[in-house]
Amino acid sequence: GEDVEQSLFLSVREGDSSVINCTYTDSSSTYLYWYKQEPGAGLQLLTYIFSNMDMKQDQRLTVLLNKKDKHLSLRIADTQTGDSAIYFCAESLSGYSTLTFGKGTMLLVSP
Amino acid sequence: NAGVTQTPKFQVLKTGQSMTLQCAQDMNHNSMYWYRQDPGMGLRLIYYSASEGTTDKGEVPNGYNVSRLNKREFSLRLESAAPSQTSVYFCASTRVGGFEGYTFGSGTRLTVV
Repeated sequence: GEDVEQSLFLSVREGDSSVINCTYTDSSSTYLYWYKQEPGAGLQLLTYIFSNMDMKQDQRLTVLLNKKDKHLSLRIADTQTGDSAIYFCAESLSGYSTLTFGKGTMLLVSP
Repeated sequence: NAGVTQTPKFQVLKTGQSMTLQCAQDMNHNSMYWYRQDPGMGLRLIYYSASEGTTDKGEVPNGYNVSRLNKREFSLRLESAAPSQTSVYFCASTRVGGFEGYTFGSGTRLTVV
């Protein structure tokens, strides 16, 4: 069955790079997503990547996909205190499937 | 463009009381979802509606019912609230066959005492 695993906590200093990792079990996953949840708010889509891509870059965000190892990562360059939030990895088999979410990684950025 | 709107934002219930959480989207999405979020448990799917007129159980449906009132609205009902249903509830929607992922509401924080 589908399963998505993430480490629960990451602490970095402002200005450093953050790397949040995710592993998934279903090799048929077609779409992979990163969501951000700020305190007291809903989940906001940050970026997504198709399974036929290895990398996607969007300003300070870089997503790397290793299909062989079923590993997804989100790198945030020049991390700011405003990046402190919970980050969720999610996968979908198709546009007709429900998303499966990881439990989320809490990123704490200290000044 | 409001996106996904959930009401109420906060609610306190006594054990055994009933209530309905409301969700509406204005993006012409076909599919709608209800999740609950608990510390250490991530997001768990309660019910979903792939399209108007259909509803299906998710991972944790016990104690809940849903109604897809029309294409825009998807409500979640607790018939007899229990302390174990204390949680933050999120509604989400998406386009069938799309790849853009879900759009989430801002959540309803429910406490059952």
